[in-house]
Amino acid sequence: EPEVTQTPSHQVTQMGQEVILRCVPISNHLYFYWYRQILGQKVEFLVSFYNNEISEKSEIFDDQFSVERPDGSNFTLKIRSTKLEDSAMYFCASSEETGLRGNTIYFGEGSWLTVV
Amino acid sequence: DQQVKQNSPSLSVQEGRISILNCDYTNSMFDYFLWYKKYPAEGPTFLISISSIKDKNEDGRFTVFLNKSAKHLSLHIVPSQPGDSAVYFCAASLYGGSQGNLIFGKGTKLSVKP
Repeated sequence: EPEVTQTPSHQVTQMGQEVILRCVPISNHLYFYWYRQILGQKVEFLVSFYNNEISEKSEIFDDQFSVERPDGSNFTLKIRSTKLEDSAMYFCASSEETGLRGNTIYFGEGSWLTVV
Repeated sequence: DQQVKQNSPSLSVQEGRISILNCDYTNSMFDYFLWYKKYPAEGPTFLISISSIKDKNEDGRFTVFLNKSAKHLSLHIVPSQPGDSAVYFCAASLYGGSQGNLIFGKGTKLSVKP
């Protein structure tokens, strides 16, 4: 079964450093997403991306965050200057262009970011 | 601001019995609801969904019930199996919102004992 893959699985970074989390969405998918889950909290939507631009973003997705699809396969989340509160599991997800809402969103296994 | 609430952080059920996971929401503009299952070290996996125009959707052992007047939905798993042990997330999307902008609850950890 096709899957969304994420790297790294775990990253520890110093506060103030830049972090790039990488994702390879399912190959025929056209919508891409990032979510995060702070330990013990709910999964939160960050951003959706379609046709090489952000289609929707949440309040969490402020100027320190950016997303990019640098080539035909990767989808990245960059955090410019990490803060302690950015420590979380970051999930990449992708979906087909068409389909019932919600049920075609496939999640990766997550990248656990620890900011120290 | 918890628009989607799962008030039970955990639930323990005997194998073969029914598991009932509950979810409440506050925003009447939600028009689509989903349940995701999550195993440790894995991402959420879609389980079942329901549109706000329906009150029940069934898929094998899984049934989701929606009570719009009470702003409540529940997931029934019958019969429960040990492999169902996971964290279950209720999620909702807003009418007119993008399909990816899901608002999740905090999850309920289900343990099915053999």
